[in-house]
Amino acid sequence: QTVVTQEPSFSVSPGGTVTLTCGLSSGSVSTNYYPSWYQQTPGQAPRTLIYSTNIRSSGVPDRFSGSILGNKAALTITGAQADDESDYYCVLYMGSGISVFGGGTKVTVL
Amino acid sequence: EVQLVESGGRLIQPGGSLRLSCAASGFTVNRNYMSWVRQAPGKGLEWVSVIYSNDYAYYADSVKGRFRISRDNSKNTLYLQMNSLRAEDTAVYYCATYNYGWANFDHWGQGTLVTVSS
Repeated sequence: QTVVTQEPSFSVSPGGTVTLTCGLSSGSVSTNYYPSWYQQTPGQAPRTLIYSTNIRSSGVPDRFSGSILGNKAALTITGAQADDESDYYCVLYMGSGISVFGGGTKVTVL
Repeated sequence: EVQLVESGGRLIQPGGSLRLSCAASGFTVNRNYMSWVRQAPGKGLEWVSVIYSNDYAYYADSVKGRFRISRDNSKNTLYLQMNSLRAEDTAVYYCATYNYGWANFDHWGQGTLVTVSS
């Protein structure tokens, strides 16, 4: 069974940069997996940030960017702000209609 | 403006059945790809199911054979029929529009809580 891996947590200083990654338990992530990223604060529905590796969803600030770094998908927050403190989830498309979420990364801004 | 409003979640005993609804506005359900995603208390997001515009449906292994996704075009509503419910199905269930071309979830509802417990 394929597992999508994410770092459990990250801490970043206000104004700092943090890169979250999204990998596979077996194999490499490529653009063919159409990686997408979602932000969720407690008690709220997820919000779409990035899709198809690096396309920002409407209204998403340009301090959020997506890429492929090595064998993983990556979400970079440049110039972190206090309201970026959230959980971040990646999703990979596995083919045959199946999507798999990563376990999520909790980002703390302090 | 796209809006999704889920309903139908409640406390239900193990082994029971429940149907969730997702009322859509601002677009037509039957011409779109739609999905259900759930989140157990204190846990991460889990993809549950997707229905394509041609009515093909796909399910996570954890719910295959027990859950069924469908839609009522006259009511512009998406459904999730859940049978043989287990404690591990306890979660907030979100419906979302699914962009087939980019394989991502575009718009999300606010979710409805299903609690499976005796």
